[in-house]
Amino acid sequence: DAKTTQPTSMDCAEGRAANLPCNHSTISGNEYVYWYRQIHSQGPQYIIHGLKNNETNEMASLIITEDRKSSTLILPHATLRDTAVYYCIVRVADLSGNTPLVFGKGTRLSVIA
Amino acid sequence: DTEVTQTPKHLVMGMTNKKSLKCEQHMGHRAMYWYKQKAKKPPELMFVYSYEKLSINESVPSRFSPECPNSSLLNLHLHALQPEDSALYLCASRGAGGRETQYFGPGTRLLVL
Repeated sequence: DAKTTQPTSMDCAEGRAANLPCNHSTISGNEYVYWYRQIHSQGPQYIIHGLKNNETNEMASLIITEDRKSSTLILPHATLRDTAVYYCIVRVADLSGNTPLVFGKGTRLSVIA
Repeated sequence: DTEVTQTPKHLVMGMTNKKSLKCEQHMGHRAMYWYKQKAKKPPELMFVYSYEKLSINESVPSRFSPECPNSSLLNLHLHALQPEDSALYLCASRGAGGRETQYFGPGTRLLVL
């Protein structure tokens, strides 16, 4: 079973920041937080991941609370092409590759013009 | 290059047919995965291969037969499928290391008639 809880859906105005929350209250010390998104009928796309520090890349920022029980993905200037299902996933740091990503239901983000 | 390729993009088959799905990556990843995704549902794990050996089978029916002929290729052989097996089949791969990213292919859309 997925170890995360996300809102079912969210709307965001084009050009505004999209803030997607994720609750992972049972996260362990060796588990990373990963964010992926899936645009309709395409393969999931990696966005960002982190352990305990905040992370930023060209796509998004990831803010992880100090107790690591929740996180927020921030898309700084949402565009219509950011409309997708966003998945927050926790995964143990596994060297063998035997621990794949397990998907929850995700948040359907609709960016509105 | 972080590309995982899948062929074919679309496949229509009858219940008595035998067909194969192909997945390829050239990132040197030693863990490869098959997922199944039904409409409006998250991807569900089917199989995990680690160093070319099957390490996880999520109780998948025997009409799905995975094969990993070498470290770059992953096949999924299909035989005597049912209409309810119609779905998007996703392949993914990941490098060794605790924080390595898992990359997905675009998927094969399968329709069983």
